[in-house]
Amino acid sequence: SQTIHQWPATLVQPVGSPLSLECTVEGTSNPNLYWYRQAAGRGLQLLFYSVGIGQISSEVPQNLSASRPQDRQFILSSKKLLLSDSGFYLCAWSGDRGGQPQHFGDGTRLSIL
Amino acid sequence: AQSVTQLGSHVSVSEGALVLLRCNYSSSVPPYLFWYVQYPNQGLQLLLKYTSAATLVKGINGFEAEFKKSETSFHLTKPSAHMSDAAEYFCAVSEANYGQNFVFGPGTRLSVLP
Repeated sequence: SQTIHQWPATLVQPVGSPLSLECTVEGTSNPNLYWYRQAAGRGLQLLFYSVGIGQISSEVPQNLSASRPQDRQFILSSKKLLLSDSGFYLCAWSGDRGGQPQHFGDGTRLSIL
Repeated sequence: AQSVTQLGSHVSVSEGALVLLRCNYSSSVPPYLFWYVQYPNQGLQLLLKYTSAATLVKGINGFEAEFKKSETSFHLTKPSAHMSDAAEYFCAVSEANYGQNFVFGPGTRLSVLP
């Protein structure tokens, strides 16, 4: 069966520090991968998605970036965090055909001080 | 472009009462529709999905949803609410040929009162 791992679960970082969140998927190949952000009490904001290695689409211009160095690995990064980057970050995967559901990791709670 | 609306950002029901969470969608092609549940500080969990087979879809935890094309709706129901159903619920739509084109609604927070 397929599983998705996301870490760390919680992270507290000072303003201006770098960020690296990692997500890996097991049990499937060539998945579509997604990064979402969820602000407190708000809905889901799609940040990035990827349909293959090295293929990244950005939905929202900001100081975050994403990379997919391997088929089942998706990384969210920032060189300098802003206060507004605080939130709950979720990684998800889906099959590569249309109409398939997304499956989510447990999320990372990021607090910027 | 596809979109999803969820009427009511917060719904409260008494334990044992009917749960009805509303979802309306907009799509230029026959859609795939999904309901997810999110408990505090957790990821989203798939409750059920509509993929153009039966219009009444049964999911986990006693939930079901009915696809009504004429009303462009996919409302989520449960006959009897449990305290453990208190969570955030998201409706989502996807179009057949675009796996990455997946749109979530704003969510409805369900509270269950004793």
